[in-house]
Amino acid sequence: SQQGEEDPQALSIQEGENATMNCSYKTSINNLQWYRQNSGRGLVHLILIRSNEREKHSGRLRVTLDTSKKSSSLLITASRAADTASYFCATAYYNQGGKLIFGQGTELSVKP
Amino acid sequence: DGGITQSPKYLFRKEGQNVTLSCEQNLNHDAMYWYRQDPGQGLRLIYYSQIVNDFQKGDIAEGYSVSREKKESFPLTVTSAQKNPTAFYLCASSIRSGTSASYNEQFFGPGTRLTVL
Repeated sequence: SQQGEEDPQALSIQEGENATMNCSYKTSINNLQWYRQNSGRGLVHLILIRSNEREKHSGRLRVTLDTSKKSSSLLITASRAADTASYFCATAYYNQGGKLIFGQGTELSVKP
Repeated sequence: DGGITQSPKYLFRKEGQNVTLSCEQNLNHDAMYWYRQDPGQGLRLIYYSQIVNDFQKGDIAEGYSVSREKKESFPLTVTSAQKNPTAFYLCASSIRSGTSASYNEQFFGPGTRLTVL
């Protein structure tokens, strides 16, 4: 299986703290994407980072990609209770015909 | 409003019955996908379609069938052959790049929760 691994599986922090989630993958990728899912809802796309990029920002989100270690991290700064959700990384491998391979997700709980 | 819709939101089925889940998009996307999500798990790909009248099996296609007769519609049928169909089903679509693969972001519908009684 080429499914990536995410850690931690669950993360609980206080409002105002930073949250960091990590994702590892197996082989060469076209890009890596991060998605958010509120309980019982569909996924929402957050950021796409291409294999030739090392860092991207979007508001309070910062994503890094280290292709030598085959890993990515998602940092949420100054977290809010509304950030409580599950976060998934999804990899677009070159040999998978454009399919996305999703990780198991990190469940983030931000306490007020 | 542009977007992707799924219906119904909740669906109950008796064992041995086939059931069809609807997925419609008005984003003019070529590619559409069906995923299954079990509690506490990531998404697993059931079927995907890069273009009208064409679709491919994903990782867990057994017991499912699809059709892609129109660009905006990609219905999923859960057949009685699917051994454990109770799950949350998500449909997605994306722009198709180039002649084959679609490496772009995917837009998701709100999901259908199927329960087999």
